[in-house]
Amino acid sequence: EVQLVQSGAEVKKPGESLKISCKGSGYSFTSYWIGWVRQMPGKGLEWMGIIYPGDSDTRYSPSFQGQVTISADKSISTAYLQWSSLKASDTAMYYCARLSGLGLTGHFDYWGQGTLVTVSS
Amino acid sequence: NFMLTQPHSVSESPGKTVTISCTRSSGSIASNYVQWYQQRPGSAPTTVIYEDNQRPSGVPDRFSGSIDSSSNSASLTISGLKTEDEADYYCQSYDSSNHGVFGGGTKLTVL
Repeated sequence: EVQLVQSGAEVKKPGESLKISCKGSGYSFTSYWIGWVRQMPGKGLEWMGIIYPGDSDTRYSPSFQGQVTISADKSISTAYLQWSSLKASDTAMYYCARLSGLGLTGHFDYWGQGTLVTVSS
Repeated sequence: NFMLTQPHSVSESPGKTVTISCTRSSGSIASNYVQWYQQRPGSAPTTVIYEDNQRPSGVPDRFSGSIDSSSNSASLTISGLKTEDEADYYCQSYDSSNHGVFGGGTKLTVL
């Protein structure tokens, strides 16, 4: 069974750093792109970027380029989303999701449960 | 880049049929596949339509998708509405640089 299990909720202060994770299981982790999607409180979905764990090829949406870093450790089947200096506007639910086998323009066929990040002084 | 515009909300009665539109602001709707995701309150999204009109296994055939080049839009149609279909629905496609773009979402109320 394909599963993506994300790390737990985080409460941070502005300016702090953070790295959240997404562990894949039940499939060949290195063979599928993993994406990150932001959902701000009461708002819609936003496509942030994707990574191919096989070779760490990473693509960012222009809106998120330079704002976050997406990485992966294929030895432990885990993808990451990290911030070096959080802002209050980073408060959101973050989902990881697996792209189907159509390469980097497929659909997200499996989703993690979401990680709620709250940034507040 | 382009935008995908959806109605903010739609409502319909159980047993009826509803159609949610998703209009691409520039470039052809046919240039990249369109997906539709359902998100129930408090849950992660799930796919109900991919590649314009394909249904994942487990999604009932009450859900169908289409694209219309004349209006440059995609549509999600749900027939035989059930109260369990009440959710937010998002369309999604890709730009020429293979960056994903989501529509703003449509809240479906089944009343």
